[in-house]
Amino acid sequence: GENVEQHPSTLSVQEGDSAVIKCTYSDSASNYFPWYKQELGKRPQLIIDIRSNVGEKKDQRIAVTLNKTAKHFSLHITETQPEDSAVYFCAASNLAGGTSYGKLTFGQGTILTVHP
Amino acid sequence: DAGVTQSPTHLIKTRGQQVTLRCSPKSGHDTVSWYQQALGQGPQFIFQYYEEEERQRGNFPDRFSGHQFPNYSSELNVNALLLGDSALYLCASSFAKGTSPTYEQYFGPGTRLTVT
Repeated sequence: GENVEQHPSTLSVQEGDSAVIKCTYSDSASNYFPWYKQELGKRPQLIIDIRSNVGEKKDQRIAVTLNKTAKHFSLHITETQPEDSAVYFCAASNLAGGTSYGKLTFGQGTILTVHP
Repeated sequence: DAGVTQSPTHLIKTRGQQVTLRCSPKSGHDTVSWYQQALGQGPQFIFQYYEEEERQRGNFPDRFSGHQFPNYSSELNVNALLLGDSALYLCASSFAKGTSPTYEQYFGPGTRLTVT
């Protein structure tokens, strides 16, 4: 089955700096890669996603890049703010069918701390 | 427009007991997925229900079972509870029917289950 590895496990930055979180996946059939932000005691919230037919997607200060050949994808947050502090999870899924259809496989999470 | 709702919020059970958790999907969604999130880890896929049938299942024992009702709401049942079943149980909904399905999964606030 799919396996998703996420690094780093913790990331500390100063306000205004950029943050990058990286994930690798094992199943070449995976074609959908969402990122979730989870604040303490709250639900995971979808912040951005990308499908395998594009290499990059951007939404204001957040961007995701995908390298299908290397089977890795990354989350980039620019101009970080203290309210960006949370746990970030990457995930992978196969929307085309097969045994992984509809199943999100998550990474282990990255605790991002943005210092004012 | 109500998002994904779950009940109860918290639950304390004793080893060997049985528990039922409930989930109502986001309005317009027809697919419900259940995840188990242990402390400090990413969510682990339990199973997914679509059209009242279990469509996908993760690596969880048969003690974990579920149901989807005609109104798309869903239940997760866990029998013979173990201490290791203590976790946050998350429900996520999505829309899979028709010519324009959206596969983004939106999470509920979760049910915190403690087994003593």
